[in-house]
Amino acid sequence: KQEVTQIPAALSVPEGENLVLNCSFTDSAIYNLQWFRQDPGKGLTSLLLIQSSQREQTSGRLNASLDKSSGRSTLYIAASQPGDSATYLCAVGLNNQGGKLIFGQGTELSVKP
Amino acid sequence: DAGVIQSPRHEVTEMGQEVTLRCKPISGHNSLFWYRQTMMRGLELLIYFNNNVPIDDSGMPEDRFSAKMPNASFSTLKIQPSEPRDSAVYFCASSVLGTGRDTQYFGPGTRLTVL
Repeated sequence: KQEVTQIPAALSVPEGENLVLNCSFTDSAIYNLQWFRQDPGKGLTSLLLIQSSQREQTSGRLNASLDKSSGRSTLYIAASQPGDSATYLCAVGLNNQGGKLIFGQGTELSVKP
Repeated sequence: DAGVIQSPRHEVTEMGQEVTLRCKPISGHNSLFWYRQTMMRGLELLIYFNNNVPIDDSGMPEDRFSAKMPNASFSTLKIQPSEPRDSAVYFCASSVLGTGRDTQYFGPGTRLTVL
């Protein structure tokens, strides 16, 4: 059974700092891996999607990497801003099961001005 | 596009009552997902449809829960009878599966409180 773990559960950093959020999964037979952002009381917003054949994806100040063999993904946020404060969730798409996603518990990020 | 639309946004009901949550996916998307989010269990997939057909309902907690997708633009999640432990935020999401671009787009959620 696929399990997804995110560490740390919460993180507080000063504005301008570069930071890394971690995601690990137990079964390397994945279809894809997605990072989402969730603001309090809101739905999820997709940030990056990495196909199983890819190693990384970039969008603006965000860079996500994927290492299937070790069961890990990282989300790198450069030059953090207070507007980046939110909960970040990692989700693994299961192989041969279409869009079924298994989510981690999330990392709650607070960027202090 | 308006994005995924869910209604109602908030629902407060009493134990034993029937609850119906509604979702309109993004036009052109072929898959629809129902999730439940709680502090204890996080975000869990309840059921998903592809081309209006239920594909995986293994996450539906018990027979009190049912979901339908009568056409490509509408889905319902029904709880009958509701119980206090059903209190959670229920999200609907849609995507285009099978294209390599399987990003799921989430609605704003329905916050359900069962008293």
